[in-house]
Amino acid sequence: AQSVTQPDIHITVSEGASLELRCNYSYGATPYLFWYVQSPGQGLQLLLKYFSGDTLVQGIKGFEAEFKRSQSSFNLRKPSVHWSDAAEYFCAVGANAGGTSYGKLTFGQGTILTVHP
Amino acid sequence: GAVVSQHPSWVICKSGTSVKIECRSLDFQATTMFWYRQFPKQSLMLMATSNEGSKATYEQGVEKDKFLINHASLTLSTLTVTSAHPEDSSFYICSADRGLNTEAFFGQGTRLTVV
Repeated sequence: AQSVTQPDIHITVSEGASLELRCNYSYGATPYLFWYVQSPGQGLQLLLKYFSGDTLVQGIKGFEAEFKRSQSSFNLRKPSVHWSDAAEYFCAVGANAGGTSYGKLTFGQGTILTVHP
Repeated sequence: GAVVSQHPSWVICKSGTSVKIECRSLDFQATTMFWYRQFPKQSLMLMATSNEGSKATYEQGVEKDKFLINHASLTLSTLTVTSAHPEDSSFYICSADRGLNTEAFFGQGTRLTVV
């Protein structure tokens, strides 16, 4: 069975500083990997995804993530954090749900990002 | 494109009553829909997977008689929480998958409070 680990429950950074959120996964086949962001009381917004190809993936809001198969990692990065980035971030791995459906997601525990002015 | 609408956004119900939550894919046909639950300050946990016209597949530990899932069409899946109790209070969120080796698309979620 697949699993996702986000080692950092809470991260605090200063506005303008760089950010890296860690994600490690366990999956028996080529993983479909995702990063989502959730603001308090809100739904999920997809930041980026990795299905295949280039291991450095660009997403929305200036985020990027790098898939490293040897380390089973998919860390999320942003060079300069903005106060509006404060939210909870979830890494997820998608499993096959039949046919070409890979929407069956296992989520990590989440990382809460606090941004100091 | 790829919009998923979930209704209602929030609902308060009395203990012992049933609540139905709808998940609609507005501009695509969803071969598969998924239902997740998120308790306060916790991550999202998959409850069940539903395919149009067939019975839902429930994850271990999820009571299928309590959480009834109906996927009657390629654009609509419903989750009914039967005989709700305060411990069922949670954030329920659905996603719909086109099955084209792309991501599934999430609804806005439903905040259920049972009093």
